Amino acid sequence: AQKITQTQPGMFVQEKEAVTLDCTYDTSDPSYGLFWYKQPSSGEMIFLIYQGSYDQQNATEGRYSLNFQKARKSANLVISASQLGDSAMYFCAMREPGGYQKVTFGTGTKLQVIP
Amino acid sequence: EPEVTQTPSHQVTQMGQEVILRCVPISNHLYFYWYRQILGQKVEFLVSFYNNEISEKSEIFDDQFSVERPDGSNFTLKIRSTKLEDSAMYFCASSEVREGGTEAFFGQGTRLTVV
Repeated sequence: AQKITQTQPGMFVQEKEAVTLDCTYDTSDPSYGLFWYKQPSSGEMIFLIYQGSYDQQNATEGRYSLNFQKARKSANLVISASQLGDSAMYFCAMREPGGYQKVTFGTGTKLQVIP
Repeated sequence: EPEVTQTPSHQVTQMGQEVILRCVPISNHLYFYWYRQILGQKVEFLVSFYNNEISEKSEIFDDQFSVERPDGSNFTLKIRSTKLEDSAMYFCASSEVREGGTEAFFGQGTRLTVV
């Protein structure tokens, strides 16, 4: 069964606008972690933001924020004030219980920022 | 800022040959991982390694693959008798061992091309 679902294969956003990338997840355990990674065309995987399942506040890192809705099992990434350099693949991922074990990735969303 | 480094960045090998992909994890991290991303597809977990042994592996990680931590800094992935379908980007990652889990930091990847 799919544990991480990203329903948007591609998204476009105008430069300086905000964009939301969707992610839903599936787990029956109360303890888990959610991540977003950015993969530019050069191929490296860049960590953006982390949300723990017990965190009370939504995570924020600069222009990135995570809209965490636990009851709906969603963890959408919001990028504010998009920049041309934000054009990349974005992967949502989940670490399941144990705290240290593997991270499972979604299929990714390709974001294109238009000038 | 500490980072995970991988060498080489690109490796071309003939089908049937053995390759060793090398990684230097972040120095105070204790969990290490290998992931694979076939071109245009999602990132797939291969194996995690902790306390000098494999802690978890996926069905992809069969007898063709092995991992080793030959010294205090390197973490290697060996692929024996490479096949065309082994062509992919291979990512090494490492993470701390912390209550509640923590993000995995990825290297820049090694692009393996089997010809």
